[in-house]
Amino acid sequence: GDSVTQMEGPVTLSEEAFLTINCTYTATGYPSLFWYVQYPGEGLQLLLKATKADDKGSNKGFEATYRKETTSFHLEKGSVQVSDSAVYFCALSPSGDNFNKFYFGSGTKLNVKP
Amino acid sequence: GAVVSQHPSWVICKSGTSVKIECRSLDFQATTMFWYRQFPKQSLMLMATSNEGSKATYEQGVEKDKFLINHASLTLSTLTVTSAHPEDSSFYICSARDQRQGGSYEQYFGPGTRLTVT
Repeated sequence: GDSVTQMEGPVTLSEEAFLTINCTYTATGYPSLFWYVQYPGEGLQLLLKATKADDKGSNKGFEATYRKETTSFHLEKGSVQVSDSAVYFCALSPSGDNFNKFYFGSGTKLNVKP
Repeated sequence: GAVVSQHPSWVICKSGTSVKIECRSLDFQATTMFWYRQFPKQSLMLMATSNEGSKATYEQGVEKDKFLINHASLTLSTLTVTSAHPEDSSFYICSARDQRQGGSYEQYFGPGTRLTVT
């Protein structure tokens, strides 16, 4: 079945460091891919998305490219800030009849130190 | 952008009582909403799909008699945790897809409701 695997955390970085959070997926067809961010005590906020192969989603300095050949959607940011500390979830929405169902990775907690 | 709200944001109840959580799409209509459960430091688990005007569809392993879902209108779905027990304590999150977006498949998530059963 469809699933998402992302790197375990926590990830601890110093401010202005480069960030990569790996995400790979298993799915039939052509799913849509998402990154969500969850700040402490809050719900999920959409960070970025990509709906087809080779698309690059970007927002607030974060980027992720939909790589079908490697079934990956790694999240990157060139220079993290303390305010980026949160839990990041990779997710997919299947193509076809189950497009409304979201499958989430386990989440990666990011701690950014000043 | 599309906004989904939840009420209450947190609730404490005694074991054996029932608790109702509301999920509202504020500026769009949603024929389908989703309820997730999130355990501490874990990912979201889809519990059920709430369909306006019809019965909810529950994921395998979720007790439909314990987690009652009602989708009474195009902007409101409710989740009632019946005869709550401490193990039901969790963070419950709803989401809705903005039908206006057409094929974007984007879902909007509510801020979540933290339930604590004592």
